[in-house]
Amino acid sequence: NAGVTQTPKFQVLKTGQSMTLQCAQDMNHEYMSWYRQDPGMGLRLIHYSVGAGITDQGEVPNGYNVSRSTTEDFPLRLLSAAPSQTSVYFCASSNPERGGYGYTFGSGTRLTVV
Amino acid sequence: AQSVTQLDSQVPVFEEAPVELRCNYSSSVSVYLFWYVQYPNQGLQLLLKYLSGSTLVKGINGFEAEFNKSQTSFHLRKPSVHISDTAEYFCAVKGGGNKLTFGTGTQLKVEL
Repeated sequence: NAGVTQTPKFQVLKTGQSMTLQCAQDMNHEYMSWYRQDPGMGLRLIHYSVGAGITDQGEVPNGYNVSRSTTEDFPLRLLSAAPSQTSVYFCASSNPERGGYGYTFGSGTRLTVV
Repeated sequence: AQSVTQLDSQVPVFEEAPVELRCNYSSSVSVYLFWYVQYPNQGLQLLLKYLSGSTLVKGINGFEAEFNKSQTSFHLRKPSVHISDTAEYFCAVKGGGNKLTFGTGTQLKVEL
């Protein structure tokens, strides 16, 4: 099993550009989440999903969109990148219905917006 | 609503010394608590979790944590640290929909 795979690992964007951060998991987990990590602020939840076709907003959703068309994939879209979105982004998945509380994290995408 | 407070942003300690990383939480639902470790330029790895039962939870790499309901704490401890334990440690509490709320992290720096 590959676990949670995020691509790309690094990305530089210009202000106003759009892009999609990819996230895929092969553990058949129902729950998936996107977090951003900023120095001194821990991890903050952007969006999450409890299953295919179901998504909801987290703590800091503005400027980001998500969709969940399959159990495996949960892409995060930046609509119009801003310098405030410079951060490290983590995707995570879990399966609490099978006792799998606690998320498995990907290795992260480091995004810089200039 | 859930929240987590990690009281120490940095904890320096000498190798082979004991360490405690503090975490206090608040939760309006059943309390499920977690500690994660993040090594430089890596993702987060689950160290241990408390779901129910014994209040002393043992995790990987010799770490353990004690759930204290009356003090709303979940402090992480290790009796003897190694240089390889240098990392950032995050405490988290589960909320509705299996969402995790994280603390701001504690940087553990182990010195020779």
